Amino acid sequence: RKEVEQDPGPFNVPEGATVAFNCTYSNSASQSFFWYRQDCRKEPKLLMSVYSSGNEDGRFTAQLNRASQYISLLIRDSKLSDSATYLCVVNIPNSGYALNFGKGTSLLVTP
Amino acid sequence: DAGVIQSPRHEVTEMGQEVTLRCKPISGHNSLFWYRQTMMRGLELLIYFNNNVPIDDSGMPEDRFSAKMPNASFSTLKIQPSEPRDSAVYFCASSWTSKAYEQYFGPGTRLTVT
Repeated sequence: RKEVEQDPGPFNVPEGATVAFNCTYSNSASQSFFWYRQDCRKEPKLLMSVYSSGNEDGRFTAQLNRASQYISLLIRDSKLSDSATYLCVVNIPNSGYALNFGKGTSLLVTP
Repeated sequence: DAGVIQSPRHEVTEMGQEVTLRCKPISGHNSLFWYRQTMMRGLELLIYFNNNVPIDDSGMPEDRFSAKMPNASFSTLKIQPSEPRDSAVYFCASSWTSKAYEQYFGPGTRLTVT
């Protein structure tokens, strides 16, 4: 069983819409959580870390629910440039700096 | 500043051949990671180094895969012999130990084994 599960999508939304992605992780001992973004045929890039209290970076809001082992990403006022695959990432406990990546959720923002 | 550099960008080889992928991390970064990405399995960590020392190689699929980091500015991932199921995009990433989860990825090597 994959340790980080995401809905692969695709999510097709019009410009200006609000869209939310969810992710679940299986190892309750994980302590660090992130969202990475990957454009088509490009490398992944860190979008934002996810903190226990929730955090916001411009139009992006990340939330963590430790009890449910659930992470979310909300994008407000979607732009065409937000079209990409969003990877949910969780640290692997007791393995130093190793990360477990979800397979990603694909977002397409249309005019 | 130069990012993570990988070479070659594309590699097509025949089954049974040796393949060597190369990576130059960002200067000053002391952690280096090798990943493999396929449609079926997503992005998987193969091995990572800290200060040139392999820390976790539990993701290396089998003995046909080996990785080295002879110095702080260079690492190789070798597959010998290669098989069609090794076809994937191989990414190298680097980071500072103090921010080890903020990993900077190279552009990847797209490997096709026929």
